[in-house]
Amino acid sequence: GAVVSQHPSRVICKSGTSVKIECRSLDFQATTMFWYRQFPKQSLMLMATSNEGSKATYEQGVEKDKFLINHASLTLSTLTVTSAHPEDSSFYICSARELAGAETQYFGPGTRLLVL
Amino acid sequence: AQKVTQAQTEISVVEKEDVTLDCVYETRDTTYYLFWYKQPPSGELVFLIRRNSFDEQNEISGRYSWNFQKSTSSFNFTITASQVVDSAVYFCALSGWPGANNLFFGTGTRLTVIP
Repeated sequence: GAVVSQHPSRVICKSGTSVKIECRSLDFQATTMFWYRQFPKQSLMLMATSNEGSKATYEQGVEKDKFLINHASLTLSTLTVTSAHPEDSSFYICSARELAGAETQYFGPGTRLLVL
Repeated sequence: AQKVTQAQTEISVVEKEDVTLDCVYETRDTTYYLFWYKQPPSGELVFLIRRNSFDEQNEISGRYSWNFQKSTSSFNFTITASQVVDSAVYFCALSGWPGANNLFFGTGTRLTVIP
């Protein structure tokens, strides 16, 4: 149980284009999903928290208009990197938590984004 | 403030050796949770264990064991008889009382098991 998928696993795009990453909880309903960013050989940095049906909460320094998050259902959250630039190239990982107050986050396999 | 320190950046061991990964945390919360995750080269984070601050019992799961000591704010992870498949980056993480969103990660320890 507690499987989280992400799609795509890898994407290469041109500078200026937008990229959408999907995060799905496959065998449970996720009231809360999280989006992290990880640079090579570094730790995970929380970008934003999204609760189903409400606006995402962004961490300090993360541009809301740049990283659009939608959590339209209990099993799907999307992250759209708008007008991507080379500095947005990174490993993006989502996680999901089953219940409000649940302790454990289960992580997706991540999406490697390369912006040329 | 919450903080997790993994002082060991990289460790290399020869297969079948035991290895301990250190994790020291700081928190002002009286109730909190500690986690270990494994990140193999493929990138996905694999949940290994969750421990709440009320429970200082050590845990063993196969070749893995965890030593939680509140007195020293440490939550160390030991792999016995290491195997090549254990090669990965291991992250220790901390979160506050249930409902707290933030999961604070350490910087990770890269373990390489040499055949």
